Amino acid sequence: GIQVEQSPPDLILQEGANSTLRCNFSDSVNNLQWFHQNPWGQLINLFYIPSGTKQNGRLSATTVATERYSLLYISSSQTTDSGVYFCAVDHFGNEKLTFGTGTRLTIIP
Amino acid sequence: DGGITQSPKYLFRKEGQNVTLSCEQNLNHDAMYWYRQDPGQGLRLIYYSQIVNDFQKGDIAEGYSVSREKKESFPLTVTSAQKNPTAFYLCASKRQGPDTQYFGPGTRLTVL
Repeated sequence: GIQVEQSPPDLILQEGANSTLRCNFSDSVNNLQWFHQNPWGQLINLFYIPSGTKQNGRLSATTVATERYSLLYISSSQTTDSGVYFCAVDHFGNEKLTFGTGTRLTIIP
Repeated sequence: DGGITQSPKYLFRKEGQNVTLSCEQNLNHDAMYWYRQDPGQGLRLIYYSQIVNDFQKGDIAEGYSVSREKKESFPLTVTSAQKNPTAFYLCASKRQGPDTQYFGPGTRLTVL
């Protein structure tokens, strides 16, 4: 099956810093989503981004499908950004999401 | 309010007992999914259903069963055959076709 790798596994930053999270996948996809899992376990949709670039406030994401990677940018980090960020992909025509192992982000005040 | 609800939030059971986790959605989504998450890990797909009265096994279906008798509901039964049932269980739904999956708040199951 398709493999999804996220890096770095852990990231600790000072409040106000910027960060870039990476997601690599091993095959073509027709869906890629970024999620934030908060400390209570709730998965929050950030982006549905099979290709191209999208922005939502301090967050933006870029997927380069031909090179099989996606990047999530977080600018001016806040403590509420802490949690685990997951990338998940849907292998072409499959409609099932395969998740990466996540990046745990900790923002220190 | 539109959304996905899961109940209960926490569940404790003795080893050897079957237990059923509830998932309901009022988003009029056709497809529904069950995932399992172990500590420090990503989510793994247990079962999914793209239409009423039909469902398919995911990557880790052994020891689990589901039903899809109504569009709004997709209950998951964790049977005594599941060797390591203690985990966080998440339900999701989406419209047909390439689209965003939306997740419920999850159920934490602990088997004593």
